[in-house]
Amino acid sequence: NAGVMQNPRHLVRRRGQEARLRCSPMKGHSHVYWYRQLPEEGLKFMVYLQKENIIDESGMPKERFSAEFPKEGPSILRIQQVVRGDSAAYFCASSEQVPRRMTGELFFGEGSRLTVL
Amino acid sequence: AQKITQTQPGMFVQEKEAVTLDCTYDTSDQSYGLFWYKQPSSGEMIFLIYQGSYDEQNATEGRYSLNFQKARKSANLVISASQLGDSAMYFCAMREGRGSTLGRLYFGRGTQLTVWP
Repeated sequence: NAGVMQNPRHLVRRRGQEARLRCSPMKGHSHVYWYRQLPEEGLKFMVYLQKENIIDESGMPKERFSAEFPKEGPSILRIQQVVRGDSAAYFCASSEQVPRRMTGELFFGEGSRLTVL
Repeated sequence: AQKITQTQPGMFVQEKEAVTLDCTYDTSDQSYGLFWYKQPSSGEMIFLIYQGSYDEQNATEGRYSLNFQKARKSANLVISASQLGDSAMYFCAMREGRGSTLGRLYFGRGTQLTVWP
């Protein structure tokens, strides 16, 4: 029973490079969520995806950030032309297809920590 | 306005004592869910306990209980018989019941709990 798998766990990029973070949801889960945790802060919602669909991207910065969840393969969070302010922990979470009532926690991965030099 | 407020940046408790971590929330929805997560120094997000807005009884999970006071919009976490391994950051979070945003959690800034022997 593999949980939510994220990789890489740690990623170092120089300003202007691209960062790609991958997330494989739990088996049987088709809903994926990305959250960002800046230093000393709580997690902030970024985007909610289902297979091949972006459902809610209201938390995504307007530029340089994109996310996808293809029919096959992991969900990808892509950050183009990274800046120092992008340094953060990026968490992926997944849930079942139809959450029962309001119950059920999101299952979080261990996070990917991006450092921009 | 903040959706989730955690007013205690840090708390200290002696081993085997009980501790209460405060959380207040702000929503106009009638249907919502409240969560507590633990984040140890290793960084992963560990689900602890859930309380639905329509649940009449306070949620309990082992040594964790949620003191839910709906009229006051508070959802405090009580940890009984603290253990050294409880030392971690604790986050309160809320999910509002509005269709596609069901997967979106609002997090507080967290409370750093330190358990001393």
